[in-house]
Amino acid sequence: NAGVTQTPKFRILKIGQSMTLQCTQDMNHNYMYWYRQDPGMGLKLIYYSVGAGITDKGEVPNGYNVSRSTTEDFPLRLELAAPSQTSVYFCASTLLGENEQYFGPGTRLTVT
Amino acid sequence: GESVGLHLPTLSVQEGDNSIINCAYSNSASDYFIWYKQESGKGPQFIIDIRSNMDKRQGQRVTVLLNKTVKHLSLQIAATQPGDSAVYFCAERARTAGNKLTFGGGTRVLVKP
Repeated sequence: NAGVTQTPKFRILKIGQSMTLQCTQDMNHNYMYWYRQDPGMGLKLIYYSVGAGITDKGEVPNGYNVSRSTTEDFPLRLELAAPSQTSVYFCASTLLGENEQYFGPGTRLTVT
Repeated sequence: GESVGLHLPTLSVQEGDNSIINCAYSNSASDYFIWYKQESGKGPQFIIDIRSNMDKRQGQRVTVLLNKTVKHLSLQIAATQPGDSAVYFCAERARTAGNKLTFGGGTRVLVKP
Protein backbone atom coordinates (compact mmCIF):
# COMPACT_ATOMS: atom_id res chain seq x y z
CA ASN A 1 0.00 0.00 0.00
CA ALA A 2 1.20 3.50 -0.79
CA GLY A 3 -0.80 4.86 2.16
CA VAL A 4 -1.74 8.53 1.87
CA THR A 5 -0.23 10.42 -1.04
CA GLN A 6 -0.34 14.16 -1.63
CA THR A 7 0.53 16.28 -4.63
CA PRO A 8 2.21 18.63 -5.19
CA LYS A 9 4.97 18.64 -2.57
CA PHE A 10 5.65 22.35 -2.97
CA ARG A 11 3.80 25.22 -4.61
CA ILE A 12 4.14 28.98 -4.80
CA LEU A 13 0.99 30.94 -5.59
CA LYS A 14 0.40 34.58 -6.22
CA ILE A 15 -2.31 36.38 -4.29
CA GLY A 16 -5.68 35.75 -5.91
CA GLN A 17 -4.68 32.57 -7.72
CA SER A 18 -6.47 29.26 -7.16
CA MET A 19 -5.25 25.69 -6.88
CA THR A 20 -6.27 22.19 -5.85
CA LEU A 21 -4.25 20.09 -3.45
CA GLN A 22 -4.66 16.42 -4.21
CA CYS A 23 -4.95 13.64 -1.63
CA THR A 24 -5.40 9.93 -2.28
CA GLN A 25 -5.42 6.94 0.05
CA ASP A 26 -5.42 3.28 -0.89
CA MET A 27 -6.35 1.81 2.50
CA ASN A 28 -10.13 1.93 1.96
CA HIS A 29 -10.48 4.33 4.86
CA ASN A 30 -13.86 5.98 5.15
CA TYR A 31 -12.67 9.02 7.12
CA MET A 32 -10.42 11.65 5.58
CA TYR A 33 -9.13 15.00 6.85
CA TRP A 34 -7.34 18.13 5.77
CA TYR A 35 -5.16 20.01 8.23
CA ARG A 36 -2.93 23.04 8.00
CA GLN A 37 0.20 23.49 10.07
CA ASP A 38 1.71 26.93 10.46
CA PRO A 39 5.43 27.21 11.40
CA GLY A 40 6.12 26.00 14.94
CA MET A 41 2.44 25.29 15.55
CA GLY A 42 0.12 22.34 15.86
CA LEU A 43 -2.34 21.14 13.26
CA LYS A 44 -5.69 22.79 12.67
CA LEU A 45 -8.53 20.91 11.01
CA ILE A 46 -9.83 22.54 7.83
CA TYR A 47 -12.40 20.02 6.53
CA TYR A 48 -13.17 16.38 7.02
CA SER A 49 -15.23 13.67 5.38
CA VAL A 50 -16.82 10.54 6.84
CA GLY A 51 -17.46 8.94 3.46
CA ALA A 52 -17.98 9.55 -0.22
CA GLY A 53 -20.40 12.41 -0.77
CA ILE A 54 -20.21 13.64 2.83
CA THR A 55 -18.03 16.55 3.96
CA ASP A 56 -18.08 18.92 6.90
CA LYS A 57 -16.23 21.95 8.18
CA GLY A 58 -13.47 21.79 10.72
CA GLU A 59 -11.94 24.56 12.81
CA VAL A 60 -10.60 26.79 9.99
CA PRO A 61 -12.64 26.22 6.78
CA ASN A 62 -12.77 29.79 5.44
CA GLY A 63 -11.09 30.16 2.06
CA TYR A 64 -11.19 26.44 1.29
CA ASN A 65 -13.52 23.93 -0.31
CA VAL A 66 -13.50 20.14 -0.53
CA SER A 67 -15.27 17.36 -2.32
CA ARG A 68 -15.36 13.60 -1.81
CA SER A 69 -16.66 11.86 -4.91
CA THR A 70 -14.82 8.58 -4.21
CA THR A 71 -13.55 6.77 -1.11
CA GLU A 72 -9.95 7.22 -2.26
CA ASP A 73 -9.76 10.92 -3.14
CA PHE A 74 -10.28 14.05 -1.06
CA PRO A 75 -9.06 17.17 -2.91
CA LEU A 76 -8.77 20.55 -1.19
CA ARG A 77 -9.51 23.65 -3.26
CA LEU A 78 -8.10 27.09 -2.50
CA GLU A 79 -9.94 29.94 -4.17
CA LEU A 80 -8.43 33.44 -4.25
CA ALA A 81 -5.25 32.55 -2.37
CA ALA A 82 -4.16 34.92 0.41
CA PRO A 83 -0.82 35.24 2.26
CA SER A 84 -2.57 33.93 5.39
CA GLN A 85 -2.92 30.59 3.61
CA THR A 86 0.85 30.12 3.52
CA SER A 87 1.26 26.90 5.45
CA VAL A 88 1.99 23.19 5.23
CA TYR A 89 -1.12 21.17 4.39
CA PHE A 90 -1.54 17.60 5.54
CA CYS A 91 -4.11 15.09 4.45
CA ALA A 92 -4.95 12.16 6.72
CA SER A 93 -7.25 9.16 6.76
CA THR A 94 -8.53 6.59 9.21
CA LEU A 95 -11.24 4.05 9.82
CA LEU A 96 -14.39 4.59 11.85
CA GLY A 97 -13.61 4.40 15.55
CA GLU A 98 -9.83 4.46 15.16
CA ASN A 99 -7.54 7.05 16.75
CA GLU A 100 -4.61 6.38 14.46
CA GLN A 101 -4.83 8.78 11.59
CA TYR A 102 -2.45 8.10 8.72
CA PHE A 103 -0.88 11.26 7.38
CA GLY A 104 0.46 12.11 3.98
CA PRO A 105 3.86 13.81 3.50
CA GLY A 106 2.35 17.28 3.23
CA THR A 107 2.20 20.10 0.69
CA ARG A 108 4.20 23.23 1.46
CA LEU A 109 2.31 26.22 0.05
CA THR A 110 3.58 29.78 -0.12
CA VAL A 111 1.33 32.64 -1.19
CA THR A 112 3.12 35.86 -2.12
CA GLY B 1 -13.22 26.87 22.47
CA GLU B 2 -11.73 23.75 23.96
CA SER B 3 -8.00 23.35 23.45
CA VAL B 4 -5.04 21.14 24.16
CA GLY B 5 -1.72 22.73 25.03
CA LEU B 6 1.79 21.86 26.13
CA HIS B 7 4.00 23.16 28.94
CA LEU B 8 7.44 22.93 27.32
CA PRO B 9 8.25 23.94 23.77
CA THR B 10 11.73 22.27 23.70
CA LEU B 11 13.19 19.38 25.67
CA SER B 12 16.89 18.43 25.48
CA VAL B 13 17.66 14.90 26.61
CA GLN B 14 20.86 12.93 26.87
CA GLU B 15 20.84 9.74 24.82
CA GLY B 16 19.88 6.84 27.06
CA ASP B 17 17.99 8.97 29.56
CA ASN B 18 14.21 8.95 29.93
CA SER B 19 12.13 11.74 28.41
CA ILE B 20 8.92 13.14 29.80
CA ILE B 21 6.70 15.30 27.64
CA ASN B 22 3.77 17.05 29.28
CA CYS B 23 0.44 18.29 28.00
CA ALA B 24 -2.50 20.09 29.59
CA TYR B 25 -5.98 19.72 28.24
CA SER B 26 -9.19 21.57 28.95
CA ASN B 27 -11.99 19.45 27.47
CA SER B 28 -13.17 17.05 30.15
CA ALA B 29 -15.59 15.49 27.66
CA SER B 30 -12.84 14.01 25.45
CA ASP B 31 -12.95 10.23 25.30
CA TYR B 32 -9.43 9.59 24.03
CA PHE B 33 -6.06 11.27 24.30
CA ILE B 34 -3.41 10.55 21.71
CA TRP B 35 0.28 11.22 21.15
CA TYR B 36 1.79 11.81 17.72
CA LYS B 37 5.42 12.16 16.64
CA GLN B 38 6.46 14.37 13.75
CA GLU B 39 9.92 14.12 12.26
CA SER B 40 11.30 17.00 10.25
CA GLY B 41 9.66 17.30 6.85
CA LYS B 42 7.19 14.49 7.46
CA GLY B 43 3.59 14.06 8.49
CA PRO B 44 2.69 13.16 12.08
CA GLN B 45 2.85 9.52 13.08
CA PHE B 46 0.66 7.88 15.73
CA ILE B 47 2.49 6.72 18.86
CA ILE B 48 -0.04 5.69 21.47
CA ASP B 49 -3.51 6.53 22.76
CA ILE B 50 -5.28 6.26 26.08
CA ARG B 51 -8.95 6.12 26.81
CA SER B 52 -10.33 8.64 29.26
CA ASN B 53 -11.32 5.94 31.76
CA MET B 54 -7.70 4.78 32.10
CA ASP B 55 -4.78 6.42 33.90
CA LYS B 56 -1.84 4.57 32.37
CA ARG B 57 -1.03 2.73 29.20
CA GLN B 58 2.27 1.25 28.08
CA GLY B 59 3.65 0.62 24.64
CA GLN B 60 7.06 -0.21 23.31
CA ARG B 61 9.44 2.12 25.25
CA VAL B 62 6.60 4.58 25.78
CA THR B 63 4.14 5.11 28.60
CA VAL B 64 1.25 7.54 28.63
CA LEU B 65 -0.14 8.79 31.91
CA LEU B 66 -3.48 10.54 32.28
CA ASN B 67 -4.39 12.57 35.36
CA LYS B 68 -7.99 13.67 34.98
CA THR B 69 -8.01 15.48 38.31
CA VAL B 70 -5.60 18.12 37.03
CA LYS B 71 -6.32 17.56 33.32
CA HIS B 72 -2.76 16.53 32.57
CA LEU B 73 -1.33 14.09 30.08
CA SER B 74 2.27 12.96 29.78
CA LEU B 75 4.35 10.79 27.47
CA GLN B 76 7.37 9.01 28.88
CA ILE B 77 10.00 7.66 26.53
CA ALA B 78 12.41 5.17 28.05
CA ALA B 79 16.09 5.08 27.04
CA THR B 80 15.76 7.93 24.57
CA GLN B 81 17.49 7.32 21.26
CA PRO B 82 18.65 9.69 18.50
CA GLY B 83 15.70 8.51 16.40
CA ASP B 84 13.37 9.94 19.03
CA SER B 85 14.38 13.49 18.07
CA ALA B 86 11.16 15.00 16.73
CA VAL B 87 8.23 17.20 17.64
CA TYR B 88 5.62 15.49 19.79
CA PHE B 89 1.97 16.51 19.78
CA CYS B 90 -0.78 15.55 22.13
CA ALA B 91 -4.29 15.46 20.77
CA GLU B 92 -7.73 14.79 22.13
CA ARG B 93 -10.71 13.15 20.51
CA ALA B 94 -14.07 14.47 21.52
CA ARG B 95 -17.25 12.41 21.49
CA THR B 96 -18.42 13.90 18.21
CA ALA B 97 -18.90 12.67 14.68
CA GLY B 98 -15.90 12.12 12.48
CA ASN B 99 -13.23 10.99 14.97
CA LYS B 100 -12.02 14.59 14.95
CA LEU B 101 -8.82 15.39 16.81
CA THR B 102 -7.78 18.66 18.44
CA PHE B 103 -4.00 19.02 18.49
CA GLY B 104 -1.82 20.86 20.95
CA GLY B 105 1.09 23.11 19.97
CA GLY B 106 3.91 20.54 20.10
CA THR B 107 7.13 19.92 22.06
CA ARG B 108 10.45 19.53 20.29
CA VAL B 109 12.66 16.79 21.73
CA LEU B 110 16.40 17.03 20.99
CA VAL B 111 18.49 13.98 21.84
CA LYS B 112 22.12 14.76 22.64
CA PRO B 113 24.70 12.03 21.91
